[in-house]
Amino acid sequence: AQKVTQAQTEISVVEKEDVTLDCVYETRDTTYYLFWYKQPPSGELVFLIRRNSFDEQNEISGRYSWNFQKSTSSFNFTITASQVVDSAVYFCALSENRDDKIIFGKGTRLHILP
Amino acid sequence: NAGVTQTPKFRILKIGQSMTLQCAQDMNHNYMYWYRQDPGMGLKLIYYSVGAGITDKGEVPNGYNVSRSTTEDFPLRLELAAPSQTSVYFCASSYRLPSGRYGYTFGSGTRLTVV
Repeated sequence: AQKVTQAQTEISVVEKEDVTLDCVYETRDTTYYLFWYKQPPSGELVFLIRRNSFDEQNEISGRYSWNFQKSTSSFNFTITASQVVDSAVYFCALSENRDDKIIFGKGTRLHILP
Repeated sequence: NAGVTQTPKFRILKIGQSMTLQCAQDMNHNYMYWYRQDPGMGLKLIYYSVGAGITDKGEVPNGYNVSRSTTEDFPLRLELAAPSQTSVYFCASSYRLPSGRYGYTFGSGTRLTVV
């Protein structure tokens, strides 16, 4: 069965520090998709990235970077030089090829302190 | 394109009342989903649909019903509201191309309180 674990429930860092959010997943499929979403205090879900299981290249987008490692079933998310606006709940999610439904982790609440 | 539209945005129900949460998408996506997010928690899948006329249960389907008579609409029905159904409900849709490309779009959510 598919499962996403975000072991960090809540993290607080001081502005400008780097922070890494961990995500470990379980799946029986060889083809699957991994996602990160941001949920700011306003409540909407903001799509950040989708990665398919065949593409293990790390991705960088501005201050955001993602490290996908199939060997450890992890898809970690790093924010460099964090800003107060990064404060939000971040969700890692998994979708298997067989049916497309996304299963979410429980989320990590990130506090960036000024 | 409006994307995924959910109505209402907020609702207060009394225990035992019924209501339908509406979800519509104008992107011609085949797949649609309903999630609930309890306070401080992640999203849990209630029901999903892979196309008009086809629906299936997710992780937490009890107390809910869905229908998918058209590609555009995927309403979620609560028959006998209970306090445990107090939550934020998100509708989503997705598409898949033969090449494997696909994307998800989420609605802005419906905040439901049952008192």
